[in-house]
Amino acid sequence: LAKTTQPISMDSYEGQEVNITCSHNNIATNDYITWYQQFPSQGPRFIIQGYKTKVTNEVASLFIPADRKSSTLSLPRVSLSDTAVYYCLVGQTADIITGGGNKLTFGTGTQLKVEL
Amino acid sequence: DARVTQTPRDKVTEMGQEVTMRCQPILGHNTVFWYRQTMMQGLELLAYFRNRAPLDDSGMPKDRFSAEMPDATLATLKIQPSEPRDSAVYFCASGLVLGAEALTEAFFGQGTRLTVV
Repeated sequence: LAKTTQPISMDSYEGQEVNITCSHNNIATNDYITWYQQFPSQGPRFIIQGYKTKVTNEVASLFIPADRKSSTLSLPRVSLSDTAVYYCLVGQTADIITGGGNKLTFGTGTQLKVEL
Repeated sequence: DARVTQTPRDKVTEMGQEVTMRCQPILGHNTVFWYRQTMMQGLELLAYFRNRAPLDDSGMPKDRFSAEMPDATLATLKIQPSEPRDSAVYFCASGLVLGAEALTEAFFGQGTRLTVV
């Protein structure tokens, strides 16, 4: 499984754009990149998933360069409620032979703190 | 509003006792995960199932932990005997995987906070 590296923590202020970068140098051809968000005392929540280039939804954007060795989660105009831990995961494609794969392995995550 | 339901939400037990945690995955989901979260280790994958069959339980201490899916609507995680080091929040998650496609989104329950004294 591809190992991911993220900053341990980031600080920001309300209204700013936050970009969290994740490194995954040994990402495999079939691996997707997925980001989850976790608030204290809650389970992680899916934010966005992508394979290459750019993906955008109502919550965030995900930028993936051509070599796919890194990815950047972009949160536009953060608010206090975006204070959470953000996890980058790679490797969710099923193994058609064994039926395995889709192993959701979380790294240490990035603690984002948003202040006024 | 479909959600993953875990019971109990909180459990305090004495060392040596058996603990059973239950999870009701979202109806129609064919993949179920069990995680353990602690401050020191973060989120650890204990086991996961596809169509009720265990695919990987390598993250689970085999001597005391067991995970099963008696039917499609129930997943259980059992610890026997429990030890203080098992104190953690245990999360269950479910998702739908079709063929060789990627798992797009896993839905997590609220977790079971286990304290072993």
